[in-house]
Parts: sequence; C-alpha cells; structure tokens
Amino acid sequence: QSALTQPASVSGSPGQSITISCTGTSGDVGAYTYVSWYQHHPGKAPKLIIYEVNNRPSGVSNRFSGSKSGNTASLTISGLQAEDEADYYCSSYTSSSTPYLFGTGTEVTVL
Amino acid sequence: QITLKESGPTLVKPTQTLTLTCTFSGFSLSTSGVAVGWIRQPPGKALEWLALIYWDDDKRYSPSLKSRLTITKDTSKNQVVLTMTNMDPVDTARYYCVHTTTAQRYNFDYWGQGTLVTVSS
Repeated sequence: QSALTQPASVSGSPGQSITISCTGTSGDVGAYTYVSWYQHHPGKAPKLIIYEVNNRPSGVSNRFSGSKSGNTASLTISGLQAEDEADYYCSSYTSSSTPYLFGTGTEVTVL
Repeated sequence: QITLKESGPTLVKPTQTLTLTCTFSGFSLSTSGVAVGWIRQPPGKALEWLALIYWDDDKRYSPSLKSRLTITKDTSKNQVVLTMTNMDPVDTARYYCVHTTTAQRYNFDYWGQGTLVTVSS
C-alpha cells in the first residue's frame, strides 16, 4: 500500500464537530497503535497533534481527539474554530519494508 | 525550543544530484535516542518518508529510494544533509526535515517548513 486513504475534504461550521477518517490495512492501521495525526497550515511547518492513536502532545487543544477501529483511524475536531482550517494527515507504522506510511491528506474548511 | 530549517536548490536538472541541508537548533544529535529525517510531498500527493539518521549514526532509508539516497550528520554544526542522485521530474516535491526520538514510537514531533525542489530541464 502506497498511502493511507483519507477524504479529500471535510467541512463544518464553527462550533460543530467533524471527523476525518484514515483507512489502512491489517498490515498498518489495523495492526498497530502507532497512528499519528498532523495539522498543516500551508506555508508553515506541519504539527503533530495526535500520537499513538489518541494521545495529545503537550500544548495541543483537547478539542482534538483520535480513535481507531479495525483498519480505520479517525480524528475528531470538536468545537470547530476558524484556526482549525488546515490540511490534516494521518500516519501509521507499517509492517511493510517502509516503516512510515502517510495518508493522502484532508483539507478542512470552516464554513 | 526545537526548530529545523531546510536549505538547498529550488531547481535542479534531470540526472543531477540534489543536496539538501537541515540546520536545527534546540537539541543535539549526539543525545541518545534522537534522530533527524527527511520526508517529501510531491504536489497533490501524499507525504513520503525518505530517510532517518540516529544519534549513533544508524541510518535508515526508504527501500524504494535507498540506492539514490545518502543521509549524513555533522553534529558540531547541528546539520543533517540528504543527497539524492539521478533526479527526475517525478522527484519534484516539497522536502521536509523532521525530528524524532526512539521514544516517539514512529511519529515526528517537529518539522521544518519545507523547501520546494523542482526538477526540470
């Protein structure tokens, strides 16, 4: 598998909750708890917001949460804010020859 | 505060060798467990992990690109250099420098802003 599958775009109104899916296989997302999520505002450095499925690094808002079921991981953003408008990428450890696999990316739009 | 910054040419010709430098601050690559790597993103495509170098000079490469990549470190200068030989237009991408540690368990906690490299004659 060359990349994890994410929806190209997700949108929501301020205050709403949205969920971004990240679908892999039994050789990556389904097999390991090493799923992470990154937020990327174009022109800036990507930022780690979730690691090991559902852990937040220090300083990351608790409006971001992660989960996993089977071969699909999910990122939920609650209380959507204008500053959340960005691209989001998932990543997973994989048993294939390349240890790091990334998602196709999801553009989040705040309406 | 950890920062990483990529530098290198913005345009390279096909068949040329690309040399990118990552200059970092806020940590030492001689500290046990620390690693610095490279990830790229072609326009409109997914992120792709390229290489990683550890504090003990252990090196890991993407199997699909291993024959073309070399990663080195200069601890005294706080720099990591990535070379990629035989560049092709499909290698056009934004190249990111990343920080991780063995405790991170397969994620990258700090990234540079990236540098866009275009391969064209």
